Amino acid sequence: ELKVEQNPLFLSMQEGKNYTIYCNYSTTSDRLYWYRQDPGKSLESLFVLLSNGAVKQEGRLMASLDTKARLSTLHITAAVHDLSATYFCAVDGRDNYGQNFVFGPGTRLSVLP
Amino acid sequence: NAGVTQTPKFQVLKTGQSMTLQCAQDMNHNSMYWYRQDPGMGLRLIYYSASEGTTDKGEVPNGYNVSRLNKREFSLRLESAAPSQTSVYFCASSVGRWGYTFGSGTRLTVV
Repeated sequence: ELKVEQNPLFLSMQEGKNYTIYCNYSTTSDRLYWYRQDPGKSLESLFVLLSNGAVKQEGRLMASLDTKARLSTLHITAAVHDLSATYFCAVDGRDNYGQNFVFGPGTRLSVLP
Repeated sequence: NAGVTQTPKFQVLKTGQSMTLQCAQDMNHNSMYWYRQDPGMGLRLIYYSASEGTTDKGEVPNGYNVSRLNKREFSLRLESAAPSQTSVYFCASSVGRWGYTFGSGTRLTVV
């Protein structure tokens, strides 16, 4: 059974600092997805990582995928308040229930002034 | 550019009442999904439809039924609501393995 873990689950950081969110998963998969959710809102796609070694960057966020280690990271550079949200990783769990994603529990990020 | 549209946005039910959550997408996606989101639990799959005419159970299907009415529409029905079904429900659609597009969510409270 595919399991997806994230750490930390809660992250409070100061503006201007750097930090990394980790996403581990339990079975082989070559695709991983990152989503952002603002409070009371829906989920917005951030990154689609398609292969081992893939790296994607958008503004202050950079995501990478190591399929051999079953690990993805979401790195935050020089955080700003607007990045405060909950971040979810999701792994394509095709072997579970057909084609669908298994989501991690989410990392709630608060960026403090 | 509607994407995935869910109705209603909010609903309060009494225990034992029934209701149907509606979802429609205009992106010509084959696959559609219903998830529930509970605090600390992430998103859990209730049912999915890989293509028009097919539906399958996900991780937490008990107490729910679904209908894939056509390629655009995928509804979720609660026949006899229970307080444990208080949650935020998200519909999503996808094509291939390029990720999901989510609806805005339905906040359901069962009292």
